[in-house]
Amino acid sequence: GNSVTQMEGPVTLSEEAFLTINCTYTATGYPSLFWYVQYPGEGLQLLLKATKADDKGSNKGFEATYRKETTSFHLEKGSVQVSDSAVYFCALRTGGGADGLTFGKGTHLIIQP
Amino acid sequence: DAGVTQSPTHLIKTRGQQVTLRCSPKSGHDTVSWYQQALGQGPQFIFQYYEEEERQRGNFPDRFSGHQFPNYSSELNVNALLLGDSALYLCASSDAPATNEKLFFGSGTQLSVL
Repeated sequence: GNSVTQMEGPVTLSEEAFLTINCTYTATGYPSLFWYVQYPGEGLQLLLKATKADDKGSNKGFEATYRKETTSFHLEKGSVQVSDSAVYFCALRTGGGADGLTFGKGTHLIIQP
Repeated sequence: DAGVTQSPTHLIKTRGQQVTLRCSPKSGHDTVSWYQQALGQGPQFIFQYYEEEERQRGNFPDRFSGHQFPNYSSELNVNALLLGDSALYLCASSDAPATNEKLFFGSGTQLSVL
């Protein structure tokens, strides 16, 4: 079956630090990969995605590259801000559009001023 | 433009009871998916509704059922509640199953089973 493993949190960084949140996956078939973010008091929202190997998804200064050889999709940002404090979920989907997403457990990111 | 709205926000039930949760999708969306998020876990896919039919289902028992109405809103029903059903239930919508990659999530209904 499909599964996603993320680094355990919370992850605490100072403002302007470099961020990496690791994500690895196992999948039957060829997955699309996603990062979703949940800000305090809000619903999950799509941050970025990649649908084939070596694709790089990017949004709001965040990036992640689909690495098929290492089955990874690590999230990075060069300089984090306090407003980036949130819970980040890595997810995948195989099959057609009706298939549900498989999520990791989430990583709580705390940015200190 | 209203996003995905869910009701109620919080709910307390006892074991064996039945519960109905409601979801209105984002304007322009016709596809609704439901997810269960236990404490400290990521969301788990329950099922998806499109054109008033269940299109796909995750690994959940038949106690979990749903419905989609002609206006695209949806209900999630859970029968014979167990303590383990305590979780945050999330509704997500998209504008068609084919574009299911970008889901819009509601803030969820927190269900507590005592």
